[in-house]
Amino acid sequence: DSGVTQTPKHLITATGQRVTLRCSPRSGDLSVYWYQQSLDQGLQFLIHYYNGEERAKGNILERFSAQQFPDLHSELNLSSLELGDSALYFCASSVGAASSYNSPLHFGNGTRLTVT
Amino acid sequence: AQKITQTQPGMFVQEKEAVTLDCTYDTSDQSYGLFWYKQPSSGEMIFLIYQGSYDEQNATEGRYSLNFQKARKSANLVISASQLGDSAMYFCAMRETSGNTGKLIFGQGTTLQVKP
Repeated sequence: DSGVTQTPKHLITATGQRVTLRCSPRSGDLSVYWYQQSLDQGLQFLIHYYNGEERAKGNILERFSAQQFPDLHSELNLSSLELGDSALYFCASSVGAASSYNSPLHFGNGTRLTVT
Repeated sequence: AQKITQTQPGMFVQEKEAVTLDCTYDTSDQSYGLFWYKQPSSGEMIFLIYQGSYDEQNATEGRYSLNFQKARKSANLVISASQLGDSAMYFCAMRETSGNTGKLIFGQGTTLQVKP
């Protein structure tokens, strides 16, 4: 058990809809990273929050947004969903950011999103 | 730009034999961390082993060892005495320090199948 909790495990929704994915990091971890894993794109970095502040954006679509709350949990909001958004979405946490390069990211079990 | 390359899309190994999964990386950072993760068919991302850019000794964790050759920018994973439960996708990743984010950059992965 990594200590990172992601809900829900599975999500099935229709095109055009909006969903929210939730992540609770390990106790004491200040960084939350979101990744998207699809068959054709591999593991793609979406966005990083550190202690409530956005630190970096990767290949995140404008239809997607995220935030990290004062209790450090994070939510990833996906709107105007398209078939191509179907993927496994991971949240990962770490105690720090760049200075913690010698520590692993700990991953949640992911949310499998299916857009029909 | 930082990059991780895994050139073996799929590998087979006989149970109880050793197998090496290749990984090369490219970075201009002096400080970085190299990681291997295992993703079984159930989907979770499991941290296996870590090697720091300043570490002179190769990392070992049980049956896993990391063959780190800094000059060649390679960080190959060696799994000894393969077991059926080792069948999974394996990802090499690098945690960067530039950009003040510490995000993980992943390779495309290698699917390992262990034959009985």
